[in-house]
Amino acid sequence: EAQVTQNPRYLITVTGKKLTVTCSQNMNHEYMSWYRQDPGLGLRQIYYSMNVEVTDKGDVPEGYKVSRKEKRNFPLILESPSPNQTSLYFCASSLLGSGQGHGYTFGSGTRLTVV
Amino acid sequence: GQNIDQPTEMTATEGAIVQINCTYQTSGFNGLFWYQQHAGEAPTFLSYNVLDGLEEKGRFSSFLSRSKGYSYLLLKELQMKDSASYLCAVRDMDDKIIFGKGTRLHILP
Repeated sequence: EAQVTQNPRYLITVTGKKLTVTCSQNMNHEYMSWYRQDPGLGLRQIYYSMNVEVTDKGDVPEGYKVSRKEKRNFPLILESPSPNQTSLYFCASSLLGSGQGHGYTFGSGTRLTVV
Repeated sequence: GQNIDQPTEMTATEGAIVQINCTYQTSGFNGLFWYQQHAGEAPTFLSYNVLDGLEEKGRFSSFLSRSKGYSYLLLKELQMKDSASYLCAVRDMDDKIIFGKGTRLHILP
């Protein structure tokens, strides 16, 4: 089954304790992206990647890191989480190329609480 | 700057028709998407428009006018399960996908 697998689904952590949220896709998609979703603010892009070893900042990259060492994986790293990073996070992937109706396939989401 | 506007909330009645509007101002345009998102779940792809006009897909249709920076999603024969948020998103010239804040649609019996 074509899918984006995101783990964990729920995570409660303490301020300053490094964490990683994993994301993996099995569709050979070039494009992968991380979003956070907060009430009243919608989906905001954190980082994106157009291919292996190519990553770029989105709209809200502060406090986050990513890596793209393999095409299928795009982990999100919070080196020193803070309470303002409490949010619902989504990983998404798609084929690349303008003019194609390839929307995102989203992972199931990770609800992160930083106390 | 990049901006996508859509109404925050709308209410409609089961069996009726509702139109959700979206206007956008982005750095170039390479297509517009509509997604549906139920509370606490991931968004799911509904439709894609890159050329002007109407795209119909069952009970859902999506319209695009590139010259006006405008799109709408039309939902017919509304069902209770259509209660969800609807997200308008635009792919810009750098292939970046930018989302609006979403429209929460309430369906009344």
